[in-house]
Parts: sequence; structure tokens; C-alpha cells
Amino acid sequence: KQEVTQIPAALSVPEGENLVLNCSFTDSAIYNLQWFRQDPGKGLTSLLLIQSSQREQTSGRLNASLDKSSGRSTLYIAASQPGDSATYLCGGSNYKLTFGKGTLLTVNP
Amino acid sequence: SQTIHQWPATLVQPVGSPLSLECTVEGTSNPNLYWYRQAAGRGLQLLFYSVGIGQISSEVPQNLSASRPQDRQFILSSKKLLLSDSGFYLCAWTRELNEKLFFGSGTQLSVL
Repeated sequence: KQEVTQIPAALSVPEGENLVLNCSFTDSAIYNLQWFRQDPGKGLTSLLLIQSSQREQTSGRLNASLDKSSGRSTLYIAASQPGDSATYLCGGSNYKLTFGKGTLLTVNP
Repeated sequence: SQTIHQWPATLVQPVGSPLSLECTVEGTSNPNLYWYRQAAGRGLQLLFYSVGIGQISSEVPQNLSASRPQDRQFILSSKKLLLSDSGFYLCAWTRELNEKLFFGSGTQLSVL
């Protein structure tokens, strides 16, 4: 059974700082690893998808990496902004997506 | 482009009452459809998924059921709600299992 863990549970940083969010998964037999953003009371917005054959994906200030052998993924956010404040969730996918509990990010002006 | 609609946004129901939440997807055919529940401190839990009309897989034994009467329609139901059914319910779809998952805006259900 796939288990996904996200560390830290919460993170508070000053604006402009670069930061890393961590995601670990127990079953390496995944099709892909996805990162999402969730604002309070809203649905999840897809940020990045890394296929199992890929090592990383980039979108703007976001960079996600995947190391299947160690069961880890990281989301790197460069030059953080207050608008980046949200909960970030990762999910490992085989026939279904199993999620971590998320990291609550607060970027302070 | 594809869109997903989920309603209602908020629902307050008494214990023992029935439930029906609806989700529809536009702009694609034969999507894989999912119902998730998000409860405080417990993360996102997959409830049901469907790969086609009338095909429903249940992940967790519970007081809920799901149906897919049409290709792009997914319904979550209950005959009698329990307090423990409270939570944030999210519908999602993907075209293929190795593609991005797209979520609806969610329904906040409070059972009182």
C-alpha cells in the first residue's frame, strides 16, 4: 500500500527566500509524481507532473525533482512571494493518486 | 478545453438525511473519474473511482456510494448521513492514468 509523507507540515519564510518542500513515498512502482497547490476552501490546482522516467520538471519559479530509487521528490520554489502562500500536496500515482497531508506554506511580506 | 463542474459548493445536512453530490466534466470523453474526501488532519482520501460508465471501484468501506450514469457524470450518494461524513468532497478527472489529475472546486459538507 502506497504511503506518502510530506515534510515539513508547515513552513513560514520571508518574501524572496528560496525554499524546498519534501515528499517521500513507499512504493516506487508509480506512473508519475504530481505536485498540487490548494488555497483555503478550494480545490487542488495541478502544478507539476513528473513521469516515472523523468528526473525533474520546471514551470516558472517552480522545479520538481523525482528520485524513484530513494522514494523522494522535492518541490523547489525560487524567490518566494506572498501569493505563493498555500498548502502544497504531492501525490504518487499508479492506478490512483495517493496524497500526502501537505505542507502549509506562509510567505511573509 | 476541459472543465469540471461540481456542486453544490456548500451543504449543511441533518444526520440521517440523504445526500447527492454531482460532478460533470466537459470537453473530453471517457475520462477516469474520482471522488476524494478531505477531512481535517487526515489528508485526501480516495473514496471511489470509475474508468467507464457503470464501472465503480470503492476504496474504503463506508456509508457512501457512487454512480456513473453517463460518460462524464459522477454522482456521490448516501441514503442516511452520519456525523462522520462531514468533510470537503472533491471530484477529479484524468484522461489517462499517467496524465495530470484535475480537480473540481469541492463541496464542503457539514452533517449536524
